[in-house]
Amino acid sequence: GAGVSQSPRYKVAKRGQDVALRCDPISGHVSLFWYQQALGQGPEFLTYFQNEAQLDKSGLPSDRFFAERPEGSVSTLKIQRTQQEDSAVYLCASSLGGRLISSYEQYFGPGTRLTVT
Amino acid sequence: AQSVTQLGSHVSVSEGALVLLRCNYSSSVPPYLFWYVQYPNQGLQLLLKYTSAATLVKGINGFEAEFKKSETSFHLTKPSAHMSDAAEYFCAVKGSQGNLIFGKGTKLSVKP
Repeated sequence: GAGVSQSPRYKVAKRGQDVALRCDPISGHVSLFWYQQALGQGPEFLTYFQNEAQLDKSGLPSDRFFAERPEGSVSTLKIQRTQQEDSAVYLCASSLGGRLISSYEQYFGPGTRLTVT
Repeated sequence: AQSVTQLGSHVSVSEGALVLLRCNYSSSVPPYLFWYVQYPNQGLQLLLKYTSAATLVKGINGFEAEFKKSETSFHLTKPSAHMSDAAEYFCAVKGSQGNLIFGKGTKLSVKP
């Protein structure tokens, strides 16, 4: 079946531009996570949705980062006034159950590589 | 707070040799631990997970890992490396809020 998809796969933005990154989770998955992976590092948590509710945004690095999942399926991560330090791969993951249920694994998309010039 | 440490950012083995990738964790509660593999320009694929059942966990592609509470370790092994195993491997622990907390990764190279 279809996995998690993300678009665009690559995005180049000039410093100061706004960008929007899209995530299509696996159909029926309740949980959706966004992670940021800087070059040479492991992914770091940004934010979490359970259905349409954003329950945790503790990992968002600044108020320039905004995420939504209005109908409980597709999610968009928006970055306003991009800065060079925003350059990273942004990964989306979905999971069938709630985030605290240990038996449900997170399925990752291929990521969007954002380069800010 | 939970954390993981992966020892060795690069590991190189010969084809057919044993693969050993090290991961130590820190957790104040019984941990849920994971190993993921990432091929170039791809997302993360789950290799195996430990969720407090058997301490020896078998995963895909011949990989396995053993949970050792006394050593706070969850090392990943494979008896015989294959060229297709060359990738980056991430150890992760489930945080208290359900998100994954990753190590910095270990890049595995396999020499012919």
